[in-house]
Amino acid sequence: AQKITQTQPGMFVQEKEAVTLDCTYDTSDPSYGLFWYKQPSSGEMIFLIYQGSYDQQNATEGRYSLNFQKARKSANLVISASQLGDSAMYFCAGRMEGSNYKLTFGKGTLLTVNP
Amino acid sequence: GAGVSQSPSNKVTEKGKDVELRCDPISGHTALYWYRQRLGQGLEFLIYFQGNSAPDKSGLPSDRFSAERTGESVSTLTIQRTQQEDSAVYLCASSPHPPDRAIGYTFGSGTRLTVV
Repeated sequence: AQKITQTQPGMFVQEKEAVTLDCTYDTSDPSYGLFWYKQPSSGEMIFLIYQGSYDQQNATEGRYSLNFQKARKSANLVISASQLGDSAMYFCAGRMEGSNYKLTFGKGTLLTVNP
Repeated sequence: GAGVSQSPSNKVTEKGKDVELRCDPISGHTALYWYRQRLGQGLEFLIYFQGNSAPDKSGLPSDRFSAERTGESVSTLTIQRTQQEDSAVYLCASSPHPPDRAIGYTFGSGTRLTVV
């Protein structure tokens, strides 16, 4: 079984600053993938970034990057140059590769960007 | 269609009534997932379809919950004899099989179910 833990219920950041959202995972499967999703107040789930367990480099997508530390089983999301529109819930999710590909989600972190 | 469509967007029902929630996945996506999100919580997996088969139903909370998929397309989640604890947003997601890592899974906007 896979478990995803997000220990920060809420985070605050000043506009234009960087912020790190924590995520740790627990799986015995050697092959897995980690995802981050953004959920604004409208409720939609927006895919941000993906990291595979065998990827050699940390994933980067625009202002989003993943600080993947396999030994620590952590996959923290870094948002650079925060914008007011980044205020939302952020979910870390994991899946085991080669299985039915279902995602296991953490409880989420509510990010508030202050002007 | 262009995205995953769910209907209705909102549903208020009386305790004890049955409800049906519908999901129209992206055309050609063979994998379909149902999740439940209680207020302020993360997403709980309910059931996974590959084609019209459901190889993983492990997340269905009780036998009041069932789901089917037809034509490798539309899926219906049925909740019988609804209880107040069933109040939540029910989200559907679809993906190719295997999923494209570049785009993840595409989620619908959800059905907000309120049991009164």
